[in-house]
Amino acid sequence: DVVMTQSPLSLPVTPGQPASISCRSSQSLLHSDGDTYLSWFQQRPGQSPRRLIYKVSNRDSGVPDRFSGSGSGTDFTLKISRVEAEDVGVYYCMQGTHWPLTFGGGTKVEIK
Amino acid sequence: EVQLVESGGGLVKPGGSLRLSCVASGFTFSNAWMNWVRQAPGRGLEWVGRIKSKTDGGTTDYAAPVKGRFTMSRDDSKNTLYLQMNSLKTEDTAVYYCTPWTAVRSLDYWGQGTLVTVSS
Repeated sequence: DVVMTQSPLSLPVTPGQPASISCRSSQSLLHSDGDTYLSWFQQRPGQSPRRLIYKVSNRDSGVPDRFSGSGSGTDFTLKISRVEAEDVGVYYCMQGTHWPLTFGGGTKVEIK
Repeated sequence: EVQLVESGGGLVKPGGSLRLSCVASGFTFSNAWMNWVRQAPGRGLEWVGRIKSKTDGGTTDYAAPVKGRFTMSRDDSKNTLYLQMNSLKTEDTAVYYCTPWTAVRSLDYWGQGTLVTVSS
């Protein structure tokens, strides 16, 4: 199985400041079809997960443009350009290239 | 609007059984590959299993911790996904979500989940 490793585990951020979350996979996520299937999810306290990003860098509808995804191969990053109070929660990466699907352990974003 | 409503969770003793349901609407359920994902209290997300559409064979695939104990099925006439859970263990305690697999090899919609508690 592909192991997804996120860092840091916890990320205290001052509102208005940027934040960056790393996600590394134990195998390349480049699919034989040429695409890379890495998604990012946000889970606010008490809520279900919500997808933010798919295929590394494509934002879902309604996701603020302060969220961006980048990376390739085995190394990926989710960036929040200016953190807002509503961004508090746990963020997960997930790979969809290989079965079984696997998730990173999560990064908890909190406001300083 | 896509809706996924999970139900059937509750308290069950170790070794017991439970069947979860997920009623879907807002998309063509019969064409969708459906997944169950679970989240133990205070923990991360864990994929449980997947069932393909009948058009694609209707086959199932499971995560190692549940293989042989859990069975996914679907009733396309009722837009409903099921998860039969047998020989339950305390480590199966979690919120269980159903979520469709998308063309971009991701999981885009999630229900509110249903809580399964396995405890004596």
